[in-house]
Amino acid sequence: EDQVTQSPEALRLQEGESSSLNCSYTVSGLRGLFWYRQDPGKGPEFLFTLYSAGEEKEKERLKATLTKKESFLHITAPKPEDSATYLCAVQAGSGGGADGLTFGKGTHLIIQP
Amino acid sequence: KAGVTQTPRYLIKTRGQQVTLSCSPISGHRSVSWYQQTPGQGLQFLFEYFSETQRNKGNFPGRFSGRQFSNSRSEMNVSTLELGDSALYLCASSFTGMDEKLFFGSGTQLSVL
Repeated sequence: EDQVTQSPEALRLQEGESSSLNCSYTVSGLRGLFWYRQDPGKGPEFLFTLYSAGEEKEKERLKATLTKKESFLHITAPKPEDSATYLCAVQAGSGGGADGLTFGKGTHLIIQP
Repeated sequence: KAGVTQTPRYLIKTRGQQVTLSCSPISGHRSVSWYQQTPGQGLQFLFEYFSETQRNKGNFPGRFSGRQFSNSRSEMNVSTLELGDSALYLCASSFTGMDEKLFFGSGTQLSVL
């Protein structure tokens, strides 16, 4: 059974204080690891897809990295508008097919001015 | 470009009733998937449809069903509602449903009394 565990569950930072969110996963046949952000009352919004160990992707103050067992979302000099719940998900598959996404329970991030 | 549209936004039902939720994907997207989000379990995959065929199914009882129409619009139905079915139901669309980002709607908040 595919499993995704995110830590910490919640994180409060001061504006400008950099940190990292962790996503540990066990999956057979990883097709991709996804990061989404979710604001209250809205659906998840796509951030990154990582496909293989060693891959890194960046967007503004966010950088996602991937190893064979975990992924990190690094947040550099965050601003209050970065406050959200950050979700990690994996997609498994074999034989040319792909499963639905398995999500972690998310990290609730609060950036204080 | 219009996003994923889900209707209704809020719904209140009583135990034993049935409910139908609707999802209109982004134009050109042929894959529609459904997820249930609760505070305790997080986001869980229900099922995915591609070109009117159910391609994947999560671990939910048979009371949960869905369908997709020729224009890619999708509906999901829950019969014999239980209190535990109270959740945010999210629909997501993409071109192929594999190895690519999903676009989520804002969800339907279902409350079962």
